[in-house]
Amino acid sequence: QQQVKQSPQSLIVQKGGISIINCAYENTAFDYFPWYQQFPGKGPALLIAIRPDVSEKKEGRFTISFNKSAKQFSLHIMDSQPGDSATYFCAASKGRYGGATNKLIFGTGTLLAVQP
Amino acid sequence: DTAVSQTPKYLVTQMGNDKSIKCEQNLGHDTMYWYKQDSKKFLKIMFSYNNKELIINETVPNRFSPKSPDKAHLNLHINSLELGDSAVYFCASSQGEVWGNTIYFGEGSWLTVV
Repeated sequence: QQQVKQSPQSLIVQKGGISIINCAYENTAFDYFPWYQQFPGKGPALLIAIRPDVSEKKEGRFTISFNKSAKQFSLHIMDSQPGDSATYFCAASKGRYGGATNKLIFGTGTLLAVQP
Repeated sequence: DTAVSQTPKYLVTQMGNDKSIKCEQNLGHDTMYWYKQDSKKFLKIMFSYNNKELIINETVPNRFSPKSPDKAHLNLHINSLELGDSAVYFCASSQGEVWGNTIYFGEGSWLTVV
């Protein structure tokens, strides 16, 4: 059972364009929603994260939009650059203070290619 | 300095063999994890340890045995390797007390079973 569904599976965007990746979750107990970025041959690295009491969080060119009622959240990459080409994973976990008893449930990943 | 380091990076071995992957973190974290990434890039938690104590065991076959000699180390031993064990294994760590549970991943160990 896939608790976090991610789309699209792959995405091609022109340099300077907007990349949008969507995720939907089922478990209403989830209260932490991070996005991870993974380059080939590397481990995933935290990009940006949001908690459900806000509808949007922005860090530089990266924005998370969160819709609690629809149980959906999305990553927007503004002014996409070739260096953004990577695999992006959404994830979710439950428990306010994280910790060892909590675990990240990952989406299936989106391979983003930004063409120059 | 690498925050989460794991060795070996690449491992090719035959079915039935036993192998180990070692992991060390220098972030001072109290929680460590093993994640498995399959050929479709799907990431799934296998184990987590907090202060050397097993906290999460995600119905992983008992051929997989994690061992945590101290807070900074979490090794993964795999017995009787099977073809389906071929994957990338990521060690990770976090500070369990911090909200948000930011997890720092190592660079992965590519295991190929032939």
